[in-house]
Amino acid sequence: AQSVTQLGSHVSVSEGALVLLRCNYSSSVPPYLFWYVQYPNQGLQLLLKYTTGATLVKGINGFEAEFKKSETSFHLTKPSAHMSDAAEYFCAELSGGYNKLIFGAGTRLAVHP
Amino acid sequence: DVKVTQSSRYLVKRTGEKVFLECVQDMDHENMFWYRQDPGLGLRLIYFSYDVKMKEKGDIPEGYSVSREKKERFSLILESASTNQTSMYLCASSYLGTSGYNEQFFGPGTRLTVL
Repeated sequence: AQSVTQLGSHVSVSEGALVLLRCNYSSSVPPYLFWYVQYPNQGLQLLLKYTTGATLVKGINGFEAEFKKSETSFHLTKPSAHMSDAAEYFCAELSGGYNKLIFGAGTRLAVHP
Repeated sequence: DVKVTQSSRYLVKRTGEKVFLECVQDMDHENMFWYRQDPGLGLRLIYFSYDVKMKEKGDIPEGYSVSREKKERFSLILESASTNQTSMYLCASSYLGTSGYNEQFFGPGTRLTVL
């Protein structure tokens, strides 16, 4: 069955440090991949998406992700963390028709001074 | 701006009660989705609908039903609430599209507690 795996349920970084959130997908066909962010007490917001073309995808708030087919990975990075980046991040893959998504378990990012 | 609204942010119900969670979107989207969000499990799809009166089961439909009588409104129904249905419920909507992907837009969620 199709699955999305996020390594690390909690990640803590210092303000200004590199953010790296890991995601691996299982699909054997070219995937559509997404990162969503959920700020406290809010719904999910799309950060970025990979559909086709360039494997390095830039999103909002300085985040980017690189699609690596050989590693079946789509890790999310940001060069310098900001306090406002503290949130839960979900990796997702398109699954079948009707725009259905399969989500990973989520990674909660904490940013400390 | 796309807006997806959910009728309640917080809800407390008793075991055995019938519970209705309402979701409304204002962008004329064909698709609507109900997810539940639990720590360590991410979001899991309960039901979705691609048109009025059309519905499809998601990954965890047991104990739930849905209703879509109007295009903008998608209701999740817990026929007889149980404590294991205590969770955060998220609604989303998107265009149907003919190819590729159309972004899902999410509501703020309803945190349901069943006592």
